[in-house]
Amino acid sequence: EVQLVESGGGLVLPGGSLRLSCTASGFGFSFYSMNWVRQAPGKGLEWISNIGSNHSSIYYADSVRGRFAISRDNAKNSLFLQMNNLRADDTAVYYCARDAFSGGAFDYWGQGTLVTVSS
Amino acid sequence: DIQMTQSPSSLSASVGDRVTITCQASQDISNYLNWYQQKPGKAPKLLIYDASNLERGVPSRFSGSGSGTDFTFTLSSLQPEDIATYYCQQSDNLPYTFGQGTKLEIK
Repeated sequence: EVQLVESGGGLVLPGGSLRLSCTASGFGFSFYSMNWVRQAPGKGLEWISNIGSNHSSIYYADSVRGRFAISRDNAKNSLFLQMNNLRADDTAVYYCARDAFSGGAFDYWGQGTLVTVSS
Repeated sequence: DIQMTQSPSSLSASVGDRVTITCQASQDISNYLNWYQQKPGKAPKLLIYDASNLERGVPSRFSGSGSGTDFTFTLSSLQPEDIATYYCQQSDNLPYTFGQGTKLEIK
């Protein structure tokens, strides 16, 4: 069974940092591109970052470029999101999501982890 | 960035009704259009990929069609468990973008 489990969310002060993790199981993690998608409270979905299966490509949404960094450890079946210089509008549930093999559709999602940026 | 315009933003229908949601892309995205269902407090679930392909395990009452800039999501017979918010998403170009969502309620 494919499982994605996020961790690392919490309350952080504006300007602070947080590192999210996503642990994968039940599939060949190293063969798939992975994504982070977030959802602000009561709002819609926003794709924020993608990383290729072997780190070959990395992409960011304009809203997080220069502040967030995506990475992965294929040996540990893990995906990461380092978030720096956090702002109030980064408050959201953060989901990791697997790219379907055809690319671009997200066929498996984690349960999400809540990040709250507030003083 | 490609803008995705989804309509309606909310919809009230009766059990057994046929429900249709539309999604329009700001430029040609071929068939790279996906549909998701999100129930309150849960992660989104992929229903339809590449405009018209039903994800494994998804009931056949869900379907999708369209290409280019105009797409349609159809629920042939609304069931109580279908109450959720539905999103379209384009996967033609990065950044991937979502529609604003359609909240489906029972009348």
